[in-house]
Amino acid sequence: NAGVTQTPKFQVLKTGQSMTLQCAQDMNHNSMYWYRQDPGMGLRLIYYSASEGTTDKGEVPNGYNVSRLNKREFSLRLESAAPSQTSVYFCASSEDSRPTQYFGPGTRLTVL
Amino acid sequence: LAKTTQPISMDSYEGQEVNITCSHNNIATNDYITWYQQFPSQGPRFIIQGYKTKVTNEVASLFIPADRKSSTLSLPRVSLSDTAVYYCLVVPSYDKVIFGPGTSLSVIP
Repeated sequence: NAGVTQTPKFQVLKTGQSMTLQCAQDMNHNSMYWYRQDPGMGLRLIYYSASEGTTDKGEVPNGYNVSRLNKREFSLRLESAAPSQTSVYFCASSEDSRPTQYFGPGTRLTVL
Repeated sequence: LAKTTQPISMDSYEGQEVNITCSHNNIATNDYITWYQQFPSQGPRFIIQGYKTKVTNEVASLFIPADRKSSTLSLPRVSLSDTAVYYCLVVPSYDKVIFGPGTSLSVIP
């Protein structure tokens, strides 16, 4: 039982490049989330998906798009990366009825 | 979503009990109180959750007074490995959560 997995673990991009961060969970959870965490800060919600086929904006959605490909997978896309998007990105999932979230190991992204 | 306030940082010696208090004055009827722990370079990890009174598990205890406007996470006999950031969240039984800056706990030998 792997829980929540994220790929890649590390990534370096140049300004303007695009990339997709992948997230998958094997706990049959309906809800999935993408957060970013800047150094010394708490987590900020980018997007979330309450169920397959639905997505909603969180606190800091600008510059990002998401896709809930199926119940297991929730991807985050940066269309044109900017240095301000340098951060650690965490994916999480949860059951509908309980607000407990399970987090992946994170993707450390640097945009030069 | 209810806003939470907790100390930015705390220090404790090994072997002591640590209590971290979180204020959540505008907590709603459906809100649960949830605590997470985060080590450097890792994602947050769920510690404990409660609605009212006291909850205890193998890691911590959570004390919630009758008015539910605050809660206290209690870590018994901390060790160096308990050095981490602890987040208090107040969330409904559905929808998204918002993380604040958390409390950075440093355990001193």
